[in-house]
This record gives sequence, C-alpha cells and structure tokens, in this order.
Amino acid sequence: EPEVTQTPSHQVTQMGQEVILRCVPISNHLYFYWYRQILGQKVEFLVSFYNNEISEKSEIFDDQFSVERPDGSNFTLKIRSTKLEDSAMYFCASSEAGSRGGPQHFGDGTRLSIL
Amino acid sequence: GESVGLHLPTLSVQEGDNSIINCAYSNSASDYFIWYKQESGKGPQFIIDIRSNMDKRQGQRVTVLLNKTVKHLSLQIAATQPGDSAVYFCAESTHLMDSNYQLIWGAGTKLIIKP
Repeated sequence: EPEVTQTPSHQVTQMGQEVILRCVPISNHLYFYWYRQILGQKVEFLVSFYNNEISEKSEIFDDQFSVERPDGSNFTLKIRSTKLEDSAMYFCASSEAGSRGGPQHFGDGTRLSIL
Repeated sequence: GESVGLHLPTLSVQEGDNSIINCAYSNSASDYFIWYKQESGKGPQFIIDIRSNMDKRQGQRVTVLLNKTVKHLSLQIAATQPGDSAVYFCAESTHLMDSNYQLIWGAGTKLIIKP
C-alpha cells in the first residue's frame, strides 16, 4: 500500500539554525499538508499546499516557516531560525482531494529537537 | 471558538469487549469527520470517515456514529484486540472565518486493552 515517507526520523538542531524536513507524499495525491504535535498534545495544522502554492495556513505558520515542492516527488518544510518551542513531532500528510474530499494519509513524522 | 474535544482522555477495555470512544464538535457547519489511530512513535493512521449526510458508517470491526443534533461523534470498536491499543483522534473538516476548510483535531483518547 502506498505511503507517505518522511526524513529524517529525528533531527537535532541548535537554536537559531535552519532546518529542512522532507516528505515524499503518495504519488497520485494532489494536496499536501504539514502538521505538528507537541509531546502528549493534539495534532495542530500548519499549512496546506495545492497546485504549487499555499492554500491555507494557521497562525503557527509564521514568517519563519516555508514550504516547497522542489520537484515532482518531494515536499519540504523549512524553519528558518529555530526556537526552543519548535521542538515537536512534524507530520506530513497528503490526500487525493482537499480537506472535505477524503482522508489525509500521514507519514510517521520527524521528531525535531531544538537545543 | 470552534473546537473538537473528547470526553475521556483514557479508556481501559478488556480484550474481546467492545469499546466506544466519544467526541464532541462545536461547529454545526462541519460536514466531514474522520477518526485516526495513532500508535506510539507513528503517525496518525486513517480508520474511518463519515459525511454529515449520514448517521452511521461501518468498517471492519469499527463503526462511526454521527449525531448532528447534539454534535456528537463516536467510534465503536468491536471485539477489541491488543493491537487496538493506541490514541484515537477525531477530526472535523471545518470552515473557519476567513479561511478555507481545514482539519481540526480533538485532544485524543488513549485506549488501553487489558488482557
């Protein structure tokens, strides 16, 4: 069964450094998403991406965050200058249709630890 | 504000018994709901979804019930197995002010299966 893959599984970064989290969505999906989950808390929406542009973003997704689909398979999340509070699990998801059209399928996440 | 919440943070069930996980939502305009299962160290896994034009939907050993009158969603798992131990999240696709549809997540219920 096709799946969303994320790399790396764990990223340790010094505060203030840039970090790029990578995702390969399911190949025939058109909608892509990033979420974060602070340990023990609920999943929080960050951003959705469709047709090579951001379709929706939350208040969390400020100017320090950016997303990119550099080629036909990868979808990345960049945090420009990391803060301690960016430490969390980051999940990538993809779907065939938008948020109302069908379920989103998730990768196993990248654990980001900011020192 | 609009929110999705769960009544019970932890639910312990005897192996082989049925379990019911509940969820309340507050946006009556939400029209698509999803249940996810998250095992330790993994990303959310799609279980079952339901649209607002339905009251009930069944899958393999799982049933989702939607009561729009009281804005309540439940997930029933029949004949629970050890592999059902996980955190279960409900999510609603909702239209926030000045935004497109996005997935809003509940806080999660931890299901523990006792041998």
